[in-house]
Amino acid sequence: GAVVSQHPSRVICKSGTSVKIECRSLDFQATTMFWYRQFPKQSLMLMATSNEGSKATYEQGVEKDKFLINHASLTLSTLTVTSAHPEDSSFYICSARVTGTNTEAFFGQGTRLTVV
Amino acid sequence: AQSVTQLDSQVPVFEEAPVELRCNYSSSVSVYLFWYVQYPNQGLQLLLKYLSGSTLVKGINGFEAEFNKSQTSFHLRKPSVHISDTAEYFCAVSEHDKIIFGKGTRLHILP
Repeated sequence: GAVVSQHPSRVICKSGTSVKIECRSLDFQATTMFWYRQFPKQSLMLMATSNEGSKATYEQGVEKDKFLINHASLTLSTLTVTSAHPEDSSFYICSARVTGTNTEAFFGQGTRLTVV
Repeated sequence: AQSVTQLDSQVPVFEEAPVELRCNYSSSVSVYLFWYVQYPNQGLQLLLKYLSGSTLVKGINGFEAEFNKSQTSFHLRKPSVHISDTAEYFCAVSEHDKIIFGKGTRLHILP
């Protein structure tokens, strides 16, 4: 099946710094990628939909300037958490759909962000 | 907007017993439905999907699900669970360019 690689799997950063998380589709092209946030023992909250070559579409309540998304190629999307604070600590997961499909998405392994 | 309801936040079941995880969705149009599994500190893995055709869908690890349009349900079943099935299970529906998830059901296997 299609593989999505997310890096890093874990990151600890100091409050006020920025962190970049990468999401790559390894064996397929993905025009659309999704970024989710997951709090402990809760479901996935869609943060934004990342479209190659255009601006991301953010869900209501998600700060665009806080969570910068770049989708510069058909195989790579990045999420940058800017000026991170402890409340940004969470599990972030990306997913991608094969270009031209509207069916299942394939997920990365997630990134555990801890802001200290 | 579509929504997905997983009524059970946690389901305990004895090893080798059958299990059903419930999922209901709301939609006025044709839908694509999915079940994903999440093991601790990992991403999501697709168990199975319903796109069209046969309402009984078979997936990986011995799981299956039945699409019931009249009841707007897509319940997940397994005839005999194993300790390795301990995980969080998410039902999801595809809405245009998004996938909407239910709140998840934690399957707890008892020895």
